Amino acid sequence: EDKVVQSPLSLVVHEGDTVTLNCSYEVTNFRSLLWYKQEKKAPTFLFMLTSSGIEKKSGRLSSILDKKELFSILNITATQTGDSAVYLCAVYSGNTPLVFGKGTRLSVIA
Amino acid sequence: DGGITQSPKYLFRKEGQNVTLSCEQNLNHDAMYWYRQDPGQGLRLIYYSQIVNDFQKGDIAEGYSVSREKKESFPLTVTSAQKNPTAFYLCASSITGSTGGYTFGSGTRLTVV
Repeated sequence: EDKVVQSPLSLVVHEGDTVTLNCSYEVTNFRSLLWYKQEKKAPTFLFMLTSSGIEKKSGRLSSILDKKELFSILNITATQTGDSAVYLCAVYSGNTPLVFGKGTRLSVIA
Repeated sequence: DGGITQSPKYLFRKEGQNVTLSCEQNLNHDAMYWYRQDPGQGLRLIYYSQIVNDFQKGDIAEGYSVSREKKESFPLTVTSAQKNPTAFYLCASSITGSTGGYTFGSGTRLTVV
């Protein structure tokens, strides 16, 4: 059974801190790993990773995949209150739907 | 603009009643999905459909039913057999065979009263 485990499940930081969110996975036929941000309703897409060691970057957010160790990290630098959200990691293994982790709830306080 | 529309945004149901949640997309996506989200549980798959007139059960299909008569529409019925239906329901769609990117609707929050 495919499995995605995120850690920590929740995190509280102060504005300006740097955070690292973790995602490990076990899937039978890995194709890609995706990160989403969910603030209130619909998750919004952040990154899709398919190759090991290649960092994807968007502003203060970055992510990298390690296919040998089966994990990914999402980094957020200089956090702002607007970064407060649930961050979801999901893995795609071909013709079956995305498998999601439980998410990490990030709270950034001023 | 292309996207997915879920309705209603909020729904209240009395115990013992069936309710149907609507999901419509105009993205020309072949595949559509229903997920349930509970606090601390992430997204759990209820049903999915990769082609019209065909659908498969997900991990938590008991107490739910779906239909896929049109490519654009994938309604979810929460039946009285679902013992704990209060949750946030998300619909999504994707291109079949893509690397996994989904487009999500804004969700329906169902509360049993």
